[in-house]
Amino acid sequence: QQQVKQSPQSLIVQKGGISIINCAYENTAFDYFPWYQQFPGKGPALLIAIRPDVSEKKEGRFTISFNKSAKQFSLHIMDSQPGDSATYFCAAAYAGGTSYGKLTFGQGTILTVHP
Amino acid sequence: AAGVIQSPRHLIKEKRETATLKCYPIPRHDTVYWYQQGPGQDPQFLISFYEKMQSDKGSIPDRFSAQQFSDYHSELNMSSLELGDSALYFCASKKGGVAGELFFGEGSRLTVL
Repeated sequence: QQQVKQSPQSLIVQKGGISIINCAYENTAFDYFPWYQQFPGKGPALLIAIRPDVSEKKEGRFTISFNKSAKQFSLHIMDSQPGDSATYFCAAAYAGGTSYGKLTFGQGTILTVHP
Repeated sequence: AAGVIQSPRHLIKEKRETATLKCYPIPRHDTVYWYQQGPGQDPQFLISFYEKMQSDKGSIPDRFSAQQFSDYHSELNMSSLELGDSALYFCASKKGGVAGELFFGEGSRLTVL
């Protein structure tokens, strides 16, 4: 059972467009929601993360929107660039000891940005 | 800046053989996590260590074991390898107990023939 559901599986956008990836979670104990970017043959790298006490967080071209009541969160990539082409994973974790590193990942979205 | 170091980067084994993967966390990181990522799959949490003690356990097969040593490096031992064990194995590290960035290594690709 996938505790974090991510959509779409793949996404194609034109350079300069907006890329939007959505995630939904089940476990209300989750209180840390990061997004990771992964290039082929590389490890995931943290893009941006949010805690449930805020509804939006922006860092450069990347924005997380968070809806606690709906148990949903999304990543918006503004002015998408060909260099953003990668696989994006949403994830969730909860507090307690070392659990913030025990991430439950979504299924991933393959983003392709055409020049 | 120093990153998480994993070795070997690539490993080819036969079925029923044994493999050992090593992970060297970022200096002053006391917590290590192991993840397995199958082809086209999301990373799955296997096991974690905090201050050299096992702190959490995920979907790690009984054929696998791991430990964290006094210098905080960690090793994942895999025995009786099966074809389905072929995957990318990531090690990640962070400071334990607080939310914050989890730093991943570049992974060790295990191929079981």
